[in-house]
Amino acid sequence: DTEVTQTPKHLVMGMTNKKSLKCEQHMGHRAMYWYKQKAKKPPELMFVYSYEKLSINESVPSRFSPECPNSSLLNLHLHALQPEDSALYLCASSHQAKEHGYTFGSGTRLTVV
Amino acid sequence: DAKTTQPPSMDCAEGRAANLPCNHSTISGNEYVYWYRQIHSQGPQYIIHGLKNNETNEMASLIITEDRKSSTLILPHATLRDTAVYYCIVRASYGNNRLAFGKGNQVVVIP
Repeated sequence: DTEVTQTPKHLVMGMTNKKSLKCEQHMGHRAMYWYKQKAKKPPELMFVYSYEKLSINESVPSRFSPECPNSSLLNLHLHALQPEDSALYLCASSHQAKEHGYTFGSGTRLTVV
Repeated sequence: DAKTTQPPSMDCAEGRAANLPCNHSTISGNEYVYWYRQIHSQGPQYIIHGLKNNETNEMASLIITEDRKSSTLILPHATLRDTAVYYCIVRASYGNNRLAFGKGNQVVVIP
């Protein structure tokens, strides 16, 4: 298995809703990442997990809450989002060794109404 | 991490080699050069990376100048499916595990 699987592919949520994005990989990667991508912009790093521990939080608002239950799963819990949070949310994973490339999922297209 | 400079866009002819330039004049000795691409509405895809030597894989070749201040990604026979935004990224082999994307180069392969 050489894929990163993200669910759901599309999500529409209201500003008062609570939802979760899920990401799964079975490549034995011990580093996992969340990126946010607005239209016509490059992906922006949000969080980095290393060996199931949060190692980087790029000053992301607390309405985004990441969770890494085990080495294969990464969640992003969403609560009280704003319309400007609408974006493509990408998950990626990699080996811990820095010289390896990242494997990205296809993303979750989130719309906040 | 050092910054990179790429043209914002370029066109390439189908069936011809596509040469994508990248300048990284402030690269330091332990920083790798990575190339990713992102086809519309998909996640980024890793293409190739290198440190000092030229590299080749089934997707592309990476040519790094001797002073390491610039590199060229070569797609040997461009197809319409190679139309994508191509990102050149330099990243340290030590320190924090952060891969930062610049603006990229929108490459359009023309029939």
